[in-house]
Amino acid sequence: DQQVKQNSPSLSVQEGRISILNCDYTNSMFDYFLWYKKYPAEGPTFLISISSIKDKNEDGRFTVFLNKSAKHLSLHIVPSQPGDSAVYFCAAYNDYKLSFGAGTTVTVRA
Amino acid sequence: NAGVTQTPKFQVLKTGQSMTLQCAQDMNHNSMYWYRQDPGMGLRLIYYSASEGTTDKGEVPNGYNVSRLNKREFSLRLESAAPSQTSVYFCASSPGTNYEQYFGPGTRLTVT
Repeated sequence: DQQVKQNSPSLSVQEGRISILNCDYTNSMFDYFLWYKKYPAEGPTFLISISSIKDKNEDGRFTVFLNKSAKHLSLHIVPSQPGDSAVYFCAAYNDYKLSFGAGTTVTVRA
Repeated sequence: NAGVTQTPKFQVLKTGQSMTLQCAQDMNHNSMYWYRQDPGMGLRLIYYSASEGTTDKGEVPNGYNVSRLNKREFSLRLESAAPSQTSVYFCASSPGTNYEQYFGPGTRLTVT
């Protein structure tokens, strides 16, 4: 059973606007939550993470929010740029292993 | 530094054939991983090696075997390929002291 879920397969946003990606999880033992970005024909690359004891982490245009009571996290990208068009994977870490969501494809329109 | 390298980049197999996917990292990482990515499924862990000399099953290990040859190299073997193993395979490594994993470019495998 999938422990990390991304229920939106795709997101289209205008350049300069905010992109909000969502992720839900079921396992309360996860220690860290991560977002990875993936371009076609490349491996995923680490984007941003958050510890399970925090509720927000910011890095430039990227902010991740964690709501532990709801078992929900989100990634905000502000402002969205054409180079942000990619697949974004939510992942959760516990005991040496990462569990991944199915991914959300983001398309930034000019 | 090359990071994580994988060979081959592409492979086509017939049902029943065997092959080994190679992975190497030059970051002196302790932990290494093999994932497969299928449409709508995200990345699923096949096997991992938390440290040199150890290997463990992940979420989808059936039909695969692994070898942690040394600290740098972690190979994935398909003994008798099946069409259900058509996928993109990613190798990753991690220092083992934190959660971040570094991924290779992937191997696209088609089994006919």
